[in-house]
Amino acid sequence: DAKTTQPTSMDCAEGRAANLPCNHSTISGNEYVYWYRQIHSQGPQYIIHGLKNNETNEMASLIITEDRKSSTLILPHATLRDTAVYYCIVRVAGSNTGKLIFGQGTTLQVKP
Amino acid sequence: KAGVTQTPRYLIKTRGQQVTLSCSPISGHRSVSWYQQTPGQGLQFLFEYFSETQRNKGNFPGRFSGRQFSNSRSEMNVSTLELGDSALYLCASSLGGTQETQYFGPGTRLLVL
Repeated sequence: DAKTTQPTSMDCAEGRAANLPCNHSTISGNEYVYWYRQIHSQGPQYIIHGLKNNETNEMASLIITEDRKSSTLILPHATLRDTAVYYCIVRVAGSNTGKLIFGQGTTLQVKP
Repeated sequence: KAGVTQTPRYLIKTRGQQVTLSCSPISGHRSVSWYQQTPGQGLQFLFEYFSETQRNKGNFPGRFSGRQFSNSRSEMNVSTLELGDSALYLCASSLGGTQETQYFGPGTRLLVL
């Protein structure tokens, strides 16, 4: 599985968009990008995933660059409850393994 | 639909004891994976069970073991507890097929004294 690189921490003002970057320069053509977040001491929460097209759901948007070497998770209107550690994970397509490899993630602090 | 549940939520044990943690997956899910989270090592994969068989295994000593029952519920066991086993133990369930999303439970916090 490809390795991901994320900034250690970021701040965002409440009500503004939070843009969390992820670098996955060694990603293979059959690897998906997944995002999870973990609010303090709770289990990780699935947010969104994508292969090469941009994706949007009720929680967030995922923008993947054309070369697929990086992506950005966008929380359109951040609230205090979005303060969490955000993990970007790449996962092989067609994989039926339950194994996810977590990095250190980005600690997002949403401030009033 | 109910989410992943884990019991107990908190546990205190002493060195040398053994412990069993339980995970009930989302209804219909056949895969259960276990993770250990510590401040120093982060989230690390322990093992995965699918249809009562271990399908994947992480890099943990044999003191860590698990099993899955016919109703997909899973248990993990840690024998001869060490201080370093103090951690948040998380389980995640999925349908088990290709590229299925995993959903995590709230975790069991284990403290070894």
